[in-house]
Amino acid sequence: ETGVTQSPTHLIKTRGQQVTLRCSSQSGHNTVSWYQQALGQGPQFIFQYYREEENGRGNFPPRFSGLQFPNYSSELNVNALELDDSALYLCASSVSGGSYEQYFGPGTRLTVT
Amino acid sequence: AQRVTQPEKLLSVFKGAPVELKCNYSYSGSPELFWYVQYSRQRLQLLLRHISRESIKGFTADLNKGETSFHLKKPFAQEEDSAMYYCAPPNNFGNEKLTFGTGTRLTIIP
Repeated sequence: ETGVTQSPTHLIKTRGQQVTLRCSSQSGHNTVSWYQQALGQGPQFIFQYYREEENGRGNFPPRFSGLQFPNYSSELNVNALELDDSALYLCASSVSGGSYEQYFGPGTRLTVT
Repeated sequence: AQRVTQPEKLLSVFKGAPVELKCNYSYSGSPELFWYVQYSRQRLQLLLRHISRESIKGFTADLNKGETSFHLKKPFAQEEDSAMYYCAPPNNFGNEKLTFGTGTRLTIIP
């Protein structure tokens, strides 16, 4: 059984740029959720994807967008990066209608300068 | 919007002593509450969920609807319990979309 993987591990971007983060869900999982974790804070829900459609969104602006692919992997895109976007971005996969347990990836550390 | 409060950012407990990590929530429905844990250099993982009423690694958590609390407890702390603990009720969108508290860093003193 393969766990959740995320890439890249970390990256540095400049304010105003765009970034794409990637997530591969755990084998057998059809739902992917994305969270933003700022330093010293708990993870904040960004959005979730199920059946390649957005299935719930937290309090994040439209410049945060995502995709889910037929193999259930997912991307998080952030446009017009701001300094406050610097955070650890976590991806979690789960089985819709299952035990609700979320399996987290190791995260991508994004630094915006 | 749902809110979850973990009042203690840091908690130090001697090995063998009881542990209680506090969590209070606001939620309009009947919540399915979770505790997640992150050990050093490991990824965030589920510790226990309310509905299963399991005891994991000696931890239990009782849902008190009157006080809207879901405190995590363990009678005798062990050194390997040192970690970051997050209380997580669901948000408006359902049980798979979590609202995390700010977390409590538990340190067990040998």
